[in-house]
Amino acid sequence: AQTVTQSQPEMSVQEAETVTLSCTYDTSESDYYLFWYKQPPSRQMILVIRQEAYKQQNATENRFSVNFQKAAKSFSLKISDSQLGDAAMYFCAYRTMDSNYQLIWGAGTKLIIKP
Amino acid sequence: DSGVTQTPKHLITATGQRVTLRCSPRSGDLSVYWYQQSLDQGLQFLIQYYNGEERAKGNILERFSAQQFPDLHSELNLSSLELGDSALYFCASSPGQSSYNEQFFGPGTRLTVL
Repeated sequence: AQTVTQSQPEMSVQEAETVTLSCTYDTSESDYYLFWYKQPPSRQMILVIRQEAYKQQNATENRFSVNFQKAAKSFSLKISDSQLGDAAMYFCAYRTMDSNYQLIWGAGTKLIIKP
Repeated sequence: DSGVTQTPKHLITATGQRVTLRCSPRSGDLSVYWYQQSLDQGLQFLIQYYNGEERAKGNILERFSAQQFPDLHSELNLSSLELGDSALYFCASSPGQSSYNEQFFGPGTRLTVL
């Protein structure tokens, strides 16, 4: 069974600085999707970025980018120019390519932005 | 706003009771997923429906059941409630059932069992 591990329960960063959130996963599949979701205090689950495992190029969405290391089964999220609105819980999630399309979630990392 | 709606927003009930959570997917989305987010278990997949049919089951208790209706809205029924069922219940929808389809999440229903 697939598992997702986020080893950092909490991270803090100074506003305008860069922070990297870690995520590792375990799978025997060769094709899959990886996601980072943001959950602000409103509790709404918001997709931040998505990476297809068969793509070698790292995904980028504005200030958010990933470092996808398939062999190492690592999927870290880099947030550049951190803003106060980035404060939230960040969840890494894995999605299989088989018929069961559930998302398998990490435990989350709480990101604190210091003004 | 994801386009997925969930009602009610908050629900407070007592142990042993039964509740129904409702989800309306985005217009045109055929797949509905239910997730439970609790403090001790984190986020867990419960069940998926596609166009009215159950497609996948996760860690869903026997006391819980769900269905998707012809108009594609879905309901999650929780019965014989226990204190440990207190959690945030999310519904998500996607256009189809392909793996690459993004799942759009509703705002969640906060269930408190006293």
